[in-house]
Amino acid sequence: QKEVEQDPGPLSVPEGAIVSLNCTYSNSAFQYFMWYRQYSRKGPELLMYTYSSGNKEDGRFTAQVDKSSKYISLFIRDSQPSDSATYLCAMSGAGGSYIPTFGRGTSLIVHP
Amino acid sequence: EAGVVQSPRYKIIEKKQPVAFWCNPISGHNTLYWYLQNLGQGPELLIRYENEEAVDDSQLPKDRFSAERLKGVDSTLKIQPAELGDSAVYLCASSLEGQRGDEQYFGPGTRLTVT
Repeated sequence: QKEVEQDPGPLSVPEGAIVSLNCTYSNSAFQYFMWYRQYSRKGPELLMYTYSSGNKEDGRFTAQVDKSSKYISLFIRDSQPSDSATYLCAMSGAGGSYIPTFGRGTSLIVHP
Repeated sequence: EAGVVQSPRYKIIEKKQPVAFWCNPISGHNTLYWYLQNLGQGPELLIRYENEEAVDDSQLPKDRFSAERLKGVDSTLKIQPAELGDSAVYLCASSLEGQRGDEQYFGPGTRLTVT
Protein backbone atom coordinates (compact mmCIF):
# COMPACT_ATOMS: atom_id res chain seq x y z
CA GLN A 1 0.00 0.00 0.00
CA LYS A 2 1.29 3.44 -0.94
CA GLU A 3 1.69 6.14 1.70
CA VAL A 4 -0.66 8.43 -0.23
CA GLU A 5 -3.68 7.10 -2.12
CA GLN A 6 -5.52 9.09 -4.75
CA ASP A 7 -8.12 7.97 -7.27
CA PRO A 8 -6.73 8.62 -10.77
CA GLY A 9 -10.18 9.29 -12.29
CA PRO A 10 -10.89 10.71 -14.76
CA LEU A 11 -13.52 12.82 -13.10
CA SER A 12 -15.80 14.51 -15.64
CA VAL A 13 -18.14 17.32 -14.55
CA PRO A 14 -20.18 20.02 -16.28
CA GLU A 15 -19.08 23.63 -16.11
CA GLY A 16 -20.27 25.30 -12.91
CA ALA A 17 -20.28 22.12 -10.83
CA ILE A 18 -18.67 21.80 -7.42
CA VAL A 19 -15.73 19.41 -7.62
CA SER A 20 -14.46 17.33 -4.74
CA LEU A 21 -11.01 15.75 -4.94
CA ASN A 22 -9.68 13.53 -2.17
CA CYS A 23 -6.63 11.74 -0.84
CA THR A 24 -6.04 9.36 2.01
CA TYR A 25 -2.71 8.70 3.65
CA SER A 26 -1.23 6.21 6.07
CA ASN A 27 1.56 8.12 7.83
CA SER A 28 0.09 10.03 10.76
CA ALA A 29 3.33 12.03 11.10
CA PHE A 30 2.60 14.15 8.01
CA GLN A 31 2.09 17.77 9.03
CA TYR A 32 1.98 19.78 5.80
CA PHE A 33 -0.59 19.16 3.09
CA MET A 34 -0.54 20.50 -0.42
CA TRP A 35 -2.51 20.43 -3.64
CA TYR A 36 -0.80 20.90 -6.98
CA ARG A 37 -2.37 21.41 -10.38
CA GLN A 38 -0.61 19.97 -13.42
CA TYR A 39 -1.66 20.81 -16.95
CA SER A 40 -0.70 18.47 -19.77
CA ARG A 41 2.98 18.78 -20.74
CA LYS A 42 3.64 21.17 -17.82
CA GLY A 43 5.18 20.91 -14.39
CA PRO A 44 3.06 20.87 -11.21
CA GLU A 45 1.97 24.24 -9.81
CA LEU A 46 1.21 24.73 -6.11
CA LEU A 47 -2.45 25.61 -5.51
CA MET A 48 -3.01 25.25 -1.79
CA TYR A 49 -0.81 24.68 1.26
CA THR A 50 -2.14 23.89 4.72
CA TYR A 51 -0.57 23.00 8.04
CA SER A 52 -2.24 20.45 10.33
CA SER A 53 -6.02 20.07 10.41
CA GLY A 54 -8.65 22.55 9.31
CA ASN A 55 -9.85 24.43 6.28
CA LYS A 56 -8.21 26.96 4.01
CA GLU A 57 -9.99 28.94 1.33
CA ASP A 58 -8.53 30.78 -1.65
CA GLY A 59 -10.99 32.10 -4.18
CA ARG A 60 -12.89 29.18 -5.68
CA PHE A 61 -10.64 26.63 -3.97
CA THR A 62 -11.05 25.20 -0.46
CA ALA A 63 -8.66 22.71 1.09
CA GLN A 64 -9.68 20.56 4.05
CA VAL A 65 -7.48 18.41 6.24
CA ASP A 66 -8.83 15.82 8.69
CA LYS A 67 -5.79 14.34 10.43
CA SER A 68 -7.91 12.07 12.64
CA SER A 69 -9.20 10.31 9.52
CA LYS A 70 -5.98 10.79 7.52
CA TYR A 71 -8.04 12.35 4.75
CA ILE A 72 -7.63 15.55 2.77
CA SER A 73 -9.90 17.20 0.24
CA LEU A 74 -9.85 19.95 -2.34
CA PHE A 75 -13.11 21.57 -3.36
CA ILE A 76 -13.47 23.67 -6.49
CA ARG A 77 -16.56 25.86 -6.73
CA ASP A 78 -18.03 27.08 -10.01
CA SER A 79 -15.67 24.85 -11.99
CA GLN A 80 -14.46 26.14 -15.36
CA PRO A 81 -13.12 24.34 -18.45
CA SER A 82 -9.77 25.95 -17.62
CA ASP A 83 -9.72 23.89 -14.41
CA SER A 84 -9.30 20.74 -16.52
CA ALA A 85 -5.98 19.31 -15.37
CA THR A 86 -4.50 16.68 -13.11
CA TYR A 87 -4.65 17.51 -9.41
CA LEU A 88 -1.93 16.04 -7.21
CA CYS A 89 -2.13 15.91 -3.46
CA ALA A 90 1.14 15.94 -1.55
CA MET A 91 2.20 15.88 2.07
CA SER A 92 5.39 16.34 4.05
CA GLY A 93 6.84 16.91 7.49
CA ALA A 94 7.13 13.28 8.60
CA GLY A 95 10.44 12.60 10.30
CA GLY A 96 11.56 16.17 9.75
CA SER A 97 11.54 15.81 5.96
CA TYR A 98 9.98 18.60 3.93
CA ILE A 99 10.21 16.69 0.67
CA PRO A 100 6.61 16.16 -0.50
CA THR A 101 5.23 12.67 -0.98
CA PHE A 102 2.84 12.90 -3.90
CA GLY A 103 -0.33 11.02 -4.74
CA ARG A 104 -0.69 9.76 -8.29
CA GLY A 105 -3.04 12.58 -9.25
CA THR A 106 -6.70 12.80 -10.28
CA SER A 107 -7.52 13.81 -13.84
CA LEU A 108 -10.34 16.38 -13.90
CA ILE A 109 -12.30 17.25 -17.03
CA VAL A 110 -14.72 20.18 -16.91
CA HIS A 111 -16.85 20.23 -20.02
CA PRO A 112 -18.73 23.32 -21.24
CA GLU B 1 10.46 36.75 -13.39
CA ALA B 2 11.59 33.77 -15.44
CA GLY B 3 10.54 30.38 -14.13
CA VAL B 4 12.55 27.18 -13.92
CA VAL B 5 14.02 26.42 -17.33
CA GLN B 6 14.70 22.89 -18.52
CA SER B 7 16.17 21.57 -21.73
CA PRO B 8 15.66 19.68 -23.84
CA ARG B 9 11.89 19.40 -23.58
CA TYR B 10 11.84 16.07 -25.39
CA LYS B 11 14.51 13.45 -25.99
CA ILE B 12 14.37 10.12 -27.79
CA ILE B 13 17.35 7.80 -27.50
CA GLU B 14 18.14 4.14 -27.97
CA LYS B 15 18.81 2.00 -24.95
CA LYS B 16 22.39 1.90 -23.71
CA GLN B 17 22.99 5.46 -24.98
CA PRO B 18 23.85 8.31 -22.61
CA VAL B 19 21.58 11.30 -22.07
CA ALA B 20 21.81 14.55 -20.13
CA PHE B 21 19.21 17.01 -18.90
CA TRP B 22 19.84 20.60 -17.93
CA CYS B 23 18.05 22.82 -15.43
CA ASN B 24 18.33 26.52 -14.66
CA PRO B 25 16.48 27.37 -11.42
CA ILE B 26 14.80 30.63 -10.50
CA SER B 27 17.38 33.28 -9.70
CA GLY B 28 18.22 33.38 -6.01
CA HIS B 29 16.81 29.94 -5.21
CA ASN B 30 19.32 27.97 -3.17
CA THR B 31 17.59 24.62 -3.25
CA LEU B 32 17.22 22.56 -6.42
CA TYR B 33 15.39 19.27 -6.86
CA TRP B 34 15.29 16.62 -9.57
CA TYR B 35 12.14 14.49 -9.70
CA LEU B 36 11.10 11.53 -11.83
CA GLN B 37 7.48 11.33 -12.92
CA ASN B 38 6.21 8.16 -14.54
CA LEU B 39 3.01 8.21 -16.56
CA GLY B 40 -0.03 8.36 -14.29
CA GLN B 41 2.07 8.82 -11.15
CA GLY B 42 3.16 11.67 -8.94
CA PRO B 43 6.72 13.01 -8.96
CA GLU B 44 9.32 11.12 -6.93
CA LEU B 45 12.46 12.81 -5.66
CA LEU B 46 15.75 11.72 -7.17
CA ILE B 47 18.12 14.26 -5.61
CA ARG B 48 18.06 17.56 -3.72
CA TYR B 49 20.78 20.20 -3.67
CA GLU B 50 21.32 22.97 -1.19
CA ASN B 51 23.63 25.30 -3.07
CA GLU B 52 26.32 23.00 -4.47
CA GLU B 53 25.83 20.19 -1.94
CA ALA B 54 23.71 17.12 -2.65
CA VAL B 55 21.88 16.71 0.67
CA ASP B 56 19.37 14.00 -0.26
CA ASP B 57 20.27 11.52 -3.00
CA SER B 58 19.06 8.28 -1.45
CA GLN B 59 16.63 7.64 -4.33
CA LEU B 60 19.15 8.27 -7.12
CA PRO B 61 20.21 5.00 -8.85
CA LYS B 62 23.90 5.73 -8.61
CA ASP B 63 25.01 2.91 -10.89
CA ARG B 64 23.68 4.76 -13.92
CA PHE B 65 22.50 8.20 -12.77
CA SER B 66 24.68 11.14 -11.83
CA ALA B 67 24.01 14.79 -11.15
CA GLU B 68 25.96 17.94 -10.51
CA ARG B 69 25.26 21.52 -9.59
CA LEU B 70 28.32 23.56 -10.30
CA LYS B 71 28.56 26.99 -8.68
CA GLY B 72 25.23 26.35 -6.96
CA VAL B 73 23.15 27.52 -9.92
CA ASP B 74 22.54 25.33 -12.99
CA SER B 75 22.29 21.59 -12.67
CA THR B 76 22.74 18.63 -14.97
CA LEU B 77 21.28 15.15 -14.56
CA LYS B 78 22.87 12.36 -16.56
CA ILE B 79 21.93 8.77 -17.31
CA GLN B 80 24.53 6.38 -18.68
CA PRO B 81 23.59 3.92 -20.02
CA ALA B 82 19.86 4.48 -20.44
CA GLU B 83 17.44 1.57 -20.05
CA LEU B 84 13.91 1.13 -21.39
CA GLY B 85 12.50 1.66 -17.90
CA ASP B 86 14.02 5.14 -17.73
CA SER B 87 11.34 6.46 -20.08
CA ALA B 88 9.57 9.12 -18.01
CA VAL B 89 9.38 12.86 -17.41
CA TYR B 90 12.28 14.36 -15.49
CA LEU B 91 11.22 17.43 -13.55
CA CYS B 92 13.44 20.06 -12.03
CA ALA B 93 12.19 22.31 -9.24
CA SER B 94 13.69 25.04 -7.10
CA SER B 95 12.86 26.82 -3.86
CA LEU B 96 14.38 29.60 -1.78
CA GLU B 97 15.67 27.62 1.16
CA GLY B 98 14.13 24.14 1.12
CA GLN B 99 12.48 24.67 4.48
CA ARG B 100 8.90 23.94 5.57
CA GLY B 101 6.45 26.26 3.96
CA ASP B 102 8.92 26.94 1.21
CA GLU B 103 7.14 26.68 -2.13
CA GLN B 104 8.73 24.57 -4.83
CA TYR B 105 8.50 25.88 -8.38
CA PHE B 106 8.60 23.24 -11.09
CA GLY B 107 9.95 23.45 -14.59
CA PRO B 108 8.06 21.96 -17.56
CA GLY B 109 10.09 18.77 -17.49
CA THR B 110 12.06 16.76 -20.02
CA ARG B 111 10.14 13.87 -21.54
CA LEU B 112 12.55 10.99 -22.18
CA THR B 113 11.71 8.09 -24.44
CA VAL B 114 14.13 5.17 -24.53
CA THR B 115 13.63 2.78 -27.47
